[in-house]
Amino acid sequence: DTGVSQDPRHKITKRGQNVTFRCDPISEHNRLYWYRQTLGQGPEFLTYFQNEAQLEKSRLLSDRFSAERPKGSFSTLEIQRTEQGDSAMYLCASSSVGFGGEQFFGPGTRLTVL
Amino acid sequence: GESVGLHLPTLSVQEGDNSIINCAYSNSASDYFIWYKQESGKGPQFIIDIRSNMDKRQGQRVTVLLNKTVKHLSLQIAATQPGDSAVYFCAENAGGTSYGKLTFGQGTILTVHP
Repeated sequence: DTGVSQDPRHKITKRGQNVTFRCDPISEHNRLYWYRQTLGQGPEFLTYFQNEAQLEKSRLLSDRFSAERPKGSFSTLEIQRTEQGDSAMYLCASSSVGFGGEQFFGPGTRLTVL
Repeated sequence: GESVGLHLPTLSVQEGDNSIINCAYSNSASDYFIWYKQESGKGPQFIIDIRSNMDKRQGQRVTVLLNKTVKHLSLQIAATQPGDSAVYFCAENAGGTSYGKLTFGQGTILTVHP
């Protein structure tokens, strides 16, 4: 399968713990995006990378959130000191550079903070 | 902040009928629009896209119409099948400095009855 993959698919953690998610984009795609989706809502943009450069960050991305893409391939999203409000589906997408740039989404990581 | 809306618009159709799903977008500067389909527990799946210099685009069994005057987007699905049952989201890209960021609409639940 050459689609976008995410790991883990599910994560349950206690409030205050740190969690890290991984995204592997489609191999030839140099853009990578993170979104967050809560129940009944559409995905909300968090941040995106072109190669290893982080080009835009949403105001939703508080200081407790950090994303990296060190070699321009896979990316990690870390949440420090998790809060119950962080419970959501975290989606990763990738695209090639170009106008519009159709974004292909992964299956998501479902985070539950107890 | 945004209001929490768990009551998505719904559309119920019979198998074989044509479906029309509507979306109002907010940013008059948006220049690229996408429709996504999302099944339970999965990431959004690309259906069709359209650029702002077009009014209509057709795919396999799907047509997207764009009315920039009233900032309205619609997705038409011909001969709807039970496998089309899902939540459908429109998304817009404002381009410019927000080139990589998709803003998603609320979503519509489509249920197809056999």
